[in-house]
Amino acid sequence: GQNIDQPTEMTATEGAIVQINCTYQTSGFNGLFWYQQHAGEAPTFLSYNVLDGLEEKGRFSSFLSRSKGYSYLLLKELQMKDSASYLCAVRLNTGKLIFGQGTTLQVKP
Amino acid sequence: DAMVIQNPRYQVTQFGKPVTLSCSQTLNHNVMYWYQQKSSQAPKLLFHYYDKDFNNEADTPDNFQSRRPNTSFCFLDIRSPGLGDAAMYLCATSRDAGNGYTFGSGTRLTVV
Repeated sequence: GQNIDQPTEMTATEGAIVQINCTYQTSGFNGLFWYQQHAGEAPTFLSYNVLDGLEEKGRFSSFLSRSKGYSYLLLKELQMKDSASYLCAVRLNTGKLIFGQGTTLQVKP
Repeated sequence: DAMVIQNPRYQVTQFGKPVTLSCSQTLNHNVMYWYQQKSSQAPKLLFHYYDKDFNNEADTPDNFQSRRPNTSFCFLDIRSPGLGDAAMYLCATSRDAGNGYTFGSGTRLTVV
């Protein structure tokens, strides 16, 4: 079976740094995606990792360790608009994308 | 701008009354996906089309059907909606099966 785990909720302060972890156990692996989803809206692409290491994209960075089945999304200089759900998704060798349940991040002033 | 468009944005239907949700894309992507997302849950893949080939997930209820008349359009038909089918339905596309997805804005379905 496929299993992707993320914390359900996190809270952080405006201007701070927050790390959202994701662990996965899947039958096959062909990349890991992070999506941002505001309430009532569709997911939007944030980052993609297929090799081990850190990918940086402005205020957002994502890390992958395939041997540990682990990824994290790092958000720097938090803004109020970053309050959203963050979905970790694993792409299987078939191309299918399997999602975690998402982490709801609340940014407080 | 090239994009994935879902209509309508909000749909209310009666219990047991067939309903169709639509998705169109201008990206010329050959793969189209339908996901169901219930409140505070992960999006769950219902089925996908690879070109004209239909691929159903094993646990997708028979109540859900899909049609893809051409590359640009894909429809989700719910034959007899139940209260448990109330959810956000997300359409996504990709170029081949090994690339990133582009999502539509979703259709939020309410069953009354």
